[in-house]
Amino acid sequence: AQKVTQAQTEISVVEKEDVTLDCVYETRDTTYYLFWYKQPPSGELVFLIRRNSFDEQNEISGRYSWNFQKSTSSFNFTITASQVVDSAVYFCALSEAGGQGGSEKLVFGKGMKLTVNP
Amino acid sequence: DAEITQSPRHKITETGRQVTLACHQTWNHNNMFWYRQDLGHGLRLIHYSYGVQDTNKGEVSDGYSVSRSNTEDLPLTLESAASSQTSVYFCASSFTRGINEQFFGPGTRLTVL
Repeated sequence: AQKVTQAQTEISVVEKEDVTLDCVYETRDTTYYLFWYKQPPSGELVFLIRRNSFDEQNEISGRYSWNFQKSTSSFNFTITASQVVDSAVYFCALSEAGGQGGSEKLVFGKGMKLTVNP
Repeated sequence: DAEITQSPRHKITETGRQVTLACHQTWNHNNMFWYRQDLGHGLRLIHYSYGVQDTNKGEVSDGYSVSRSNTEDLPLTLESAASSQTSVYFCASSFTRGINEQFFGPGTRLTVL
């Protein structure tokens, strides 16, 4: 069965600090996809990144970076030089490929609330 | 611009009443999903659909039903609302081909008294 664990439930940092959000997943499939979503205080869910199981290259997008390690079943998210606008709940999610050829259902972690203080 | 909308955004109802939450997307996505978000649980899948006339149960489907009569809409019905169904409900949709990110609606906050 699929499972996503975000062990940290809440983190508080001071602006400009770097912060890493951990995500550990479980799946029996060899083909799967990992996602990160952001939920700011306004409540909407914002897609950040998708990574498939065959691509272990790390990715950097501005102050955001992601470290995917299949050996430890982890897909961690780092925010460099955090800003107040980064304050949000962050969700890691997993989707297994297959089914009817479309997007499979997502299994979400419980989320991690990040507060960035000025 | 294409979008996904939910209505109502807030609803208060009483135990035992039937409630329907609407979800409408204009992307022409075949895949649509309903989730509920509760503190300490993250988002959990209620029902999903891969196309017209297709519906499937998710992790927490008891007490909920959906129907898909067209591509754009996937209404979620609570047959007899219970206080345990007080939650924030999110609808999402995604492209059919490949595994793609899901686009989420703004959410509906439902309170069952």
